Amino acid sequence: GQNIDQPTEMTATEGAIVQINCTYQTSGFNGLFWYQQHAGEAPTFLSYNVLDGLEEKGRFSSFLSRSKGYSYLLLKELQMKDSASYLCAVERAGNNRKLIWGLGTSLAVNP
Amino acid sequence: NAGVTQTPKFQVLKTGQSMTLQCAQDMNHEYMSWYRQDPGMGLRLIHYSVGAGITDQGEVPNGYNVSRSTTEDFPLRLLSAAPSQTSVYFCASSYSFSTPVEQYFGPGTRLTVT
Repeated sequence: GQNIDQPTEMTATEGAIVQINCTYQTSGFNGLFWYQQHAGEAPTFLSYNVLDGLEEKGRFSSFLSRSKGYSYLLLKELQMKDSASYLCAVERAGNNRKLIWGLGTSLAVNP
Repeated sequence: NAGVTQTPKFQVLKTGQSMTLQCAQDMNHEYMSWYRQDPGMGLRLIHYSVGAGITDQGEVPNGYNVSRSTTEDFPLRLLSAAPSQTSVYFCASSYSFSTPVEQYFGPGTRLTVT
C-alpha cells in the first residue's frame, strides 16, 4: 500500500529550531517534496529531495533517507510567520509523476 | 505574471446543480492538475493534464470532468453536485511533467454543496 505519516500538530517557540518528520511507504519512489500552507491559503513549495542527505535553503533544510523511507524538515530561527501547515508529498515513479500527499503537520510558533 | 488564477473564490451550490471552476495560468506550463483538500484527507488529485488536448484521471475523478483546449486554461466541471463534493479545490501547474519540479497552486475555490 501507500502511506505517508506526519505528526498532526507541533508547537515551538520563536527563535527555536523544530524538526518535522515524515515517513512513507510507497510502491516506487522518485523523490519527496515539502510544501508550506498557511491557513486559508494555497500550498507553496519549500524543497525537493531525490538523493539521500541534507538540502539546505536559508532557514529551512530538508533531509531524506531513501533506505529508511524517512524525511524531515528542519526550521531554524523560528518566526511567528512560520506558523503554518507543512505538507510532505512523495513523487511516485512512473504514473506521470503523481504525488501522494501526507495530511500535513500544523506548526504553531509561540512568542 | 499573474501565476495561477482560479475563479470563483467561493461558491454555494444546491445538490444536483452543475458548474465549472475556472483555472488559468500565464507561465506557459505544460502540466496542470486539480486537487481537492478535505480535513483529515490531505490533497487528492482529481484530474490532470500533461499538455493541451491531453487529460487523465487522478485518484478521485468521479463526478468531475476536465478539458484542456489551450495551454493556459484547465476548467473543472461538476456534473451534478453532491454534498460529498463540498471541499476546497486547488488548481496547480508546473512547467514540466517529465522532470520533477515544483507545482504552483492557485488560491483555491471553496465550494459548499447543500
